[in-house]
Amino acid sequence: AQSVTQPDIHITVSEGASLELRCNYSYGATPYLFWYVQSPGQGLQLLLKYFSGDTLVQGIKGFEAEFKRSQSSFNLRKPSVHWSDAAEYFCAVGARVSNFGNEKLTFGTGTRLTIIP
Amino acid sequence: NAGVTQTPKFQVLKTGQSMTLQCAQDMNHEYMSWYRQDPGMGLRLIHYSVGAGITDQGEVPNGYNVSRSTTEDFPLRLLSAAPSQTSVYFCASSYRTGAEKLFFGSGTQLSVL
Repeated sequence: AQSVTQPDIHITVSEGASLELRCNYSYGATPYLFWYVQSPGQGLQLLLKYFSGDTLVQGIKGFEAEFKRSQSSFNLRKPSVHWSDAAEYFCAVGARVSNFGNEKLTFGTGTRLTIIP
Repeated sequence: NAGVTQTPKFQVLKTGQSMTLQCAQDMNHEYMSWYRQDPGMGLRLIHYSVGAGITDQGEVPNGYNVSRSTTEDFPLRLLSAAPSQTSVYFCASSYRTGAEKLFFGSGTQLSVL
């Protein structure tokens, strides 16, 4: 079974500073990988996803993530954060199964991002 | 364009009561799912469906029941509520599979006393 680890429960960065949120996964083959963001009191919104191909993926709101197979990582980055980026961020992994359509997403425990002026 | 609609937004139950959390989507999505979100545990999959008449268990299915009689609706039933089911519940859908972009509802906050 797949699993996801987000080692940072809470991160605080200054507005305008760069950001990197860590995500490590465990899965025997190449997984599907996702980053979602959750604003307070809201559902989750997809930031970006990796299925195959280019290991550097671009997402919405200026975010990007890099799939590193050798490190089993899929870290999320943003060069300059804005106050509106304060939210909780979830990494997720989906297993590739032979019966397409039955993939299950496994989410990490999340990283809460605080932005200070 | 409503997307994924969950009702109610808040609910308080007594132990042993039953209730149904409603979820509806208007995007003609085949895949629908229910997650619960608990502090420090992220989101955990309860049940999911890949089409009308087809459901399967997720990671934490005990105490919950689902059915999928139409493409649009995917209700989650709590058979006999327990305090351990106090959580925030999210319904999510996607075009075809769980590995695609999921569209989430705004959640139902449930407290079981």
